[in-house]
Amino acid sequence: DIQMTQSPSSLSASVGDRLTITCRASENIRGYLQWYQQKSGKTPKLLIYAASNLQSAVPSRFSGSGSGTTFTLTISGLQPEDFATYYCQQTYSVPYTFGQGTKLEIK
Amino acid sequence: QVQLVESGGGVVQPGRSLRLSCAASGFMFKTYSMHWVRQAPGKGLEWVAVISYDGNNKHYGDSVKGRFTISRDNSKKTLYLQVNSLRPEDTAVYFCAREERFGANYYFDYWGQGTLLTVSS
Repeated sequence: DIQMTQSPSSLSASVGDRLTITCRASENIRGYLQWYQQKSGKTPKLLIYAASNLQSAVPSRFSGSGSGTTFTLTISGLQPEDFATYYCQQTYSVPYTFGQGTKLEIK
Repeated sequence: QVQLVESGGGVVQPGRSLRLSCAASGFMFKTYSMHWVRQAPGKGLEWVAVISYDGNNKHYGDSVKGRFTISRDNSKKTLYLQVNSLRPEDTAVYFCAREERFGANYYFDYWGQGTLLTVSS
């Protein structure tokens, strides 16, 4: 199975900050990588698909990049509604594993 | 609009069985592969299973293989997850999700609100 490792596991930031979350795959997954946002007690929401494609209606302050084994999610200009947990997921091969999550908290 | 509504969760004793359902509406259900994803209390997301649009292909996560069975009824626009030989570690919110495709990449664009399954004596 492909292991997905996110860093950091938690992060404190302020409104207006620019931050980056990294996701590393245990093997080459090409560009088959998604990012999801989940607020406490809510359903996961797709942000980025195929490593760098912004899902419809997602604000442009979210961006994704990477290929192979290393991927990043960047949020430029944090907004109060962005404080949540973020997950990466590979869909290169089953089982479609998720990263352990990165919890973004207000500083 | 696309809607996915799970049901069937509850409190079940270890070793027992249950069937979870996911009712779909607002899209052509029979043309989409569907997934189950679960989340234990306070934990991260765990992919559980996938079924192809026609029900002919299924895959499972290692922790549920041999105990869980995914199925669908396209005439009823409903996805199912039969969960057998339940263990306390199966306690989780179970989400259904629709698979969308971008070239050869798959992603989950719509999710249900989830149904809570608690395995406890």
